[in-house]
Amino acid sequence: GAVVSQHPSRVICKSGTSVKIECRSLDFQATTMFWYRQFPKKSLMLMATSNEGSKATYEQGVEKDKFLINHASLTLSTLTVTSAHPEDSSFYICSAIDGKGASEQYFGPGTRLTVT
Amino acid sequence: GESVGLHLPTLSVQEGDNSIINCAYSNSASDYFIWYKQESGKGPQFIIDIRSNMDKRQGQRVTVLLNKTVKHLSLQIAATQPGDSAVYFCAENYSGNTPLVFGKGTRLSVIA
Repeated sequence: GAVVSQHPSRVICKSGTSVKIECRSLDFQATTMFWYRQFPKKSLMLMATSNEGSKATYEQGVEKDKFLINHASLTLSTLTVTSAHPEDSSFYICSAIDGKGASEQYFGPGTRLTVT
Repeated sequence: GESVGLHLPTLSVQEGDNSIINCAYSNSASDYFIWYKQESGKGPQFIIDIRSNMDKRQGQRVTVLLNKTVKHLSLQIAATQPGDSAVYFCAENYSGNTPLVFGKGTRLSVIA
């Protein structure tokens, strides 16, 4: 099946710094990618929809200036957490849809962010 | 509306028994439903899907049942194995390319 990778898998950063998370579709072109965050023992909550070549669509309550999303190519979307705080510590997961119109979304392995 | 994450319910099953995990979905307009398995520290792994024009679909050791009347989805796992221990999420969307809305999840614990 299709493969989606994320980098880094784990990152620890200090409060006030920014961290970038990459999401790549390795063997298909993804016109749309989604970013989710997941707190311990909770479900996945959609943060934003990332469309190649256009601005991301953010869910209500998600600060677009804090969570910067760039989808510059059909195989890469990035999420930058700016001025990170301990409450931003979470598991961030991306998913991608094959641009051929398939329904299945392929999930990345997730990135564990810890802000100290 | 969206399904909001709550503390995970847990299902404990003896190895070799069948497991049934249930999910109530929120949007009557949803036409595509998926079950995912998530192991600790990993992303969701696709198990099986079903479209709204079906009420049952079978895979290898897994069966998904859809009851649109009561907006209920279930996942049946036959002959549950220790490797099946994980958190299971149902997800729904409309027309396939919209964001998935995830259910609250169920932790399956298999007792050897």
